Amino acid sequence: SQQGEEDPQALSIQEGENATMNCSYKTSINNLQWYRQNSGRGLVHLILIRSNEREKHSGRLRVTLDTSKKSSSLLITASRAADTASYFCATIGSGYSTLTFGKGTMLLVSP
Amino acid sequence: SAVISQKPSRDICQRGTSLTIQCQVDSQVTMMFWYRQQPGQSLTLIATANQGSEATYESGFVIDKFPISRPNLTFSTLTVSNMSPEDSSIYLCSVKGRGENTEAFFGQGTRLTVV
Repeated sequence: SQQGEEDPQALSIQEGENATMNCSYKTSINNLQWYRQNSGRGLVHLILIRSNEREKHSGRLRVTLDTSKKSSSLLITASRAADTASYFCATIGSGYSTLTFGKGTMLLVSP
Repeated sequence: SAVISQKPSRDICQRGTSLTIQCQVDSQVTMMFWYRQQPGQSLTLIATANQGSEATYESGFVIDKFPISRPNLTFSTLTVSNMSPEDSSIYLCSVKGRGENTEAFFGQGTRLTVV
């Protein structure tokens, strides 16, 4: 299994602060993706980073990938109360079509 | 992109009964996926539903418990059979573009409580 492990499991911050979540995985991957889930609803794709990329930005999101350490981080800058959600990393290996999800980080942003 | 309509959004069911969850996609897709998310946990893949063939189940999931239909390229159903309280979870359907470097799209989930 190449299930990811997110760290921390829960994170509580104030609006305006930055939030950093980490993800580790076990085997080689083709890409790593981050998803957001609000209150146990459907997941929304945030960003995809390929195995040959080291950093990617999208709006207030910054994702890094270190394949030598089999780890990734998601940084949300200038957080807002609306960012409160669970965040999951998911990996896909070469030749595979299915995603394997990590355990998730629950982020609480207080006004 | 894909828009997925999943229903019911939630249900409370008696143990021993079955529930069928429907998933409708606004475009034709080759592969659809069904996930289970137990309370406070991550997503676990139940099976991959391919049109015109039997679903492919992951380890720990069997067809008798989770029969899946895929009659066409835009629709699939998952049935949770002979339910017990341990089946209380969120069930999600998902589709993904072809190729490895594509994102997945999810339905809003079905929150199932078995009493």
